Amino acid sequence: AQKITQTQPGMFVQEKEAVTLDCTYDTSDPSYGLFWYKQPSSGEMIFLIYQGSYDQQNATEGRYSLNFQKARKSANLVISASQLGDSAMYFCAMRELFFLGAGNMLTFGGGTRLMVKP
Amino acid sequence: EAQVTQNPRYLITVTGKKLTVTCSQNMNHEYMSWYRQDPGLGLRQIYYSMNVEVTDKGDVPEGYKVSRKEKRNFPLILESPSPNQTSLYFCASSFMGLAGGFSTDTQYFGPGTRLTVL
Repeated sequence: AQKITQTQPGMFVQEKEAVTLDCTYDTSDPSYGLFWYKQPSSGEMIFLIYQGSYDQQNATEGRYSLNFQKARKSANLVISASQLGDSAMYFCAMRELFFLGAGNMLTFGGGTRLMVKP
Repeated sequence: EAQVTQNPRYLITVTGKKLTVTCSQNMNHEYMSWYRQDPGLGLRQIYYSMNVEVTDKGDVPEGYKVSRKEKRNFPLILESPSPNQTSLYFCASSFMGLAGGFSTDTQYFGPGTRLTVL
């Protein structure tokens, strides 16, 4: 079974509107971290936001917030007030704590391509 | 400036011709890893290293080799490249956590190397 699932291969959003990118995960590890990365057309991976499994509050970073629902194993990214520069691929990723054999490996979802319309 | 560098950024080669993609980081990170990115599959880990002379396989190690002789460098070697290794490759680095385990520190990614094997 996939550990990280992003069910939206592509999405459109109108400029200045908010958008939610879905991410569900699967782990039996009690301690884990969830990450979102942005990949613009230039190809680099840009870290956006992090949520730890024991964090009580949802993470926020500027216009990015993470809607963390632990019981449902979902970690959706919310982008408020979309801008044209937000058009990119977005990846959800997870790092598990106790599976040390995998070191600090990030397990990635397949990504969501977001397109912001002017 | 803290960064992960990769060279070359673009490479077109032919089947069977050995090649090396270099990766270097200037942040004194213990942990380094290589990922490949393919459409719809996100990023998958090839190899990782927790410190000098300590390397291990990730999810998709077949056809690749690595070495970690110095802390800052982690080259990826394709001894006999094949067309199914055509992909976008990322090197990443981060600190290890306490006791060599989990770290909330994000992984820093290099700019990527786009490899085409004909």
